[in-house]
Amino acid sequence: DIQMTQSPSSLSASVGDRVTITCQASQDISNYLNWYQQKPGKAPKLLIYDASNLETGVPSRFSGSGSGTDFTFTISSLQPEDIATYYCQQYDNLPLLFGGGTKVEIK
Amino acid sequence: QVQLVQSGAEVKKPGASVKVSCKASGYTFTSYGISWVRQAPGQGLEWMGWISAYNGNTNYAQKLQGRVTMTTDTSTSTAYMELRSLRSDDTAVYYCARAITSTAPIDYWGQGTLVTVSS
Repeated sequence: DIQMTQSPSSLSASVGDRVTITCQASQDISNYLNWYQQKPGKAPKLLIYDASNLETGVPSRFSGSGSGTDFTFTISSLQPEDIATYYCQQYDNLPLLFGGGTKVEIK
Repeated sequence: QVQLVQSGAEVKKPGASVKVSCKASGYTFTSYGISWVRQAPGQGLEWMGWISAYNGNTNYAQKLQGRVTMTTDTSTSTAYMELRSLRSDDTAVYYCARAITSTAPIDYWGQGTLVTVSS
């Protein structure tokens, strides 16, 4: 199985800060990576697919990059409504695996 | 708009079975599949498997093989996930979600169903 290592597991930042989360795959997954946002008590929401494509309706402050084994998710200017846990997920091979999540809080 | 509406919370005893439903609307049900993902309290997301609503083909996570069955009823655009021989570590929120293939992005999610396994 492909393993996904996501870091950090949590972070605290101020409103307006640039926030970066990384995800590393245990083998080459090309660009078959998604990023999801999950707010407390809610279902996850797809933000980025194919590593760098913004899902329709998602604010442009969210972005993704990378290919192969190393990926980055960025919030260019953190907003209060961005408080959530973010997950990467590979879909190159079954089983689909999610990263461990990054909990983003406001400082 | 695309909606996936799941059945309500369940409380089960160890060894019992649970069947969660997921009614889809707002799209052509048979053009997509349904993935099932669960989340134990305070934990991350675990993919359980996927079923094609077109032909019923399934892919299950190896750790659940033999205990899980996913089905669909195209007449009612409803997907079902049955988990048998429940254990306490099956306590989780279970989500259904739409994905065109087993390895495609999951783009819409149900609201989740809490299954509690407790004696």
